[in-house]
Amino acid sequence: DAGVIQSPRHEVTEMGQEVTLRCKPISGHDYLFWYRQTMMRGLELLIYFNNNVPIDDSGMPEDRFSAKMPNASFSTLKIQPSEPRDSAVYFCASSFGVNYGYTFGSGTRLTVV
Amino acid sequence: EDKVVQSPLSLVVHEGDTVTLNCSYEVTNFRSLLWYKQEKKAPTFLFMLTSSGIEKKSGRLSSILDKKELFSILNITATQTGDSAVYLCAVGEGGTASKLTFGTGTRLQVTL
Repeated sequence: DAGVIQSPRHEVTEMGQEVTLRCKPISGHDYLFWYRQTMMRGLELLIYFNNNVPIDDSGMPEDRFSAKMPNASFSTLKIQPSEPRDSAVYFCASSFGVNYGYTFGSGTRLTVV
Repeated sequence: EDKVVQSPLSLVVHEGDTVTLNCSYEVTNFRSLLWYKQEKKAPTFLFMLTSSGIEKKSGRLSSILDKKELFSILNITATQTGDSAVYLCAVGEGGTASKLTFGTGTRLQVTL
């Protein structure tokens, strides 16, 4: 089992550019979560999917953020246009059902300059 | 608003010491409490607790939940330098939701 796979590992971009983060969940997991981690706010849930359907996107900061899950093995988180305050580590996690702990990917460290 | 508070924020101990990390919570519809260990990269799952008073144990780590007082503790005995990490507490809501609300973590440093 390869675990949850995220790409890229690091991303440095200029303010105003579009950024796309990618995630491949563990095969068979039916929940997928996008979290953002900063020193000030810790881990914050942005959005989560169940069976590829977005269930709760109340954590998405603003319209600049969007997420998709076109199939059970792939999800993207897009920021357009990016701003310096978006700099953070973005984690994707997946789980099987609601009664098990998440498995996190290694994260994407995003720096917007 | 759901809230998960961890204490202390950080802790430095000597190898061999025993430490207790605390997590208190306020959530609308509690289902479970989870502990994670985060070293340099992704958080890794330690325990899930759903029932009061039942200790979960894994090696030198143990955890217990008190649903009446709304808190959990994570104990680490005979600490080792490899225990140095941020320990995260998270609470899962009930119903069909699966999202976790995380605390900001306790940073533990174990020195020789």
